[in-house]
Amino acid sequence: AQTVTQSQPEMSVQEAETVTLSCTYDTSESDYYLFWYKQPPSRQMILVIRQEAYKQQNATENRFSVNFQKAAKSFSLKISDSQLGDAAMYFCAYRGKYTNAGKSTFGDGTTLTVKP
Amino acid sequence: DAGVTQSPTHLIKTRGQQVTLRCSPKSGHDTVSWYQQALGQGPQFIFQYYEEEERQRGNFPDRFSGHQFPNYSSELNVNALLLGDSALYLCASSSLGSGDTEAFFGQGTRLTVV
Repeated sequence: AQTVTQSQPEMSVQEAETVTLSCTYDTSESDYYLFWYKQPPSRQMILVIRQEAYKQQNATENRFSVNFQKAAKSFSLKISDSQLGDAAMYFCAYRGKYTNAGKSTFGDGTTLTVKP
Repeated sequence: DAGVTQSPTHLIKTRGQQVTLRCSPKSGHDTVSWYQQALGQGPQFIFQYYEEEERQRGNFPDRFSGHQFPNYSSELNVNALLLGDSALYLCASSSLGSGDTEAFFGQGTRLTVV
């Protein structure tokens, strides 16, 4: 079974600085998707960034980028130029591309605080 | 585009009762997945519906059941409620029929069992 581990329950960053959130996962599959979701107090899960395992290039979306290390099964999220609106719970998630393709497995999240 | 909508937003039920939660997927999506998110934890997959059938199921008891209608909307039913069923229930829609696996989430239903 796939597992996702986020080892940082809480992180804080100064506004305008950079922070990195860690995620490791375990799977026996070779092709899959990895995601970072943001969940603000409004509760709605918002997709931040997606990585396809067969793509070696790390995904980027504006101020958000990932460091995907397939062999190490590591998928960290870097937030540059942090803004107050980035404060939220961040979840790392795994989804198989073929086996269990409909099911996402989530970590337990990292609460990010942004200090003005 | 209204996105994924869930109703109700909050619900309080008594142990032993039954509850039905509803989800309307994003326009153009044909697949609905349900997740349970306990306080301070990540969402746990309950099941997924596609073409009105349960396509995949997580590790949840039979007290949890669902349905998908021809218009792709979905219901989650929980029977014989336990205190431990108190959680945020999230619905996510996607378009498996077109091969797109990106999921869009609703704002959830907060269920409290007393």
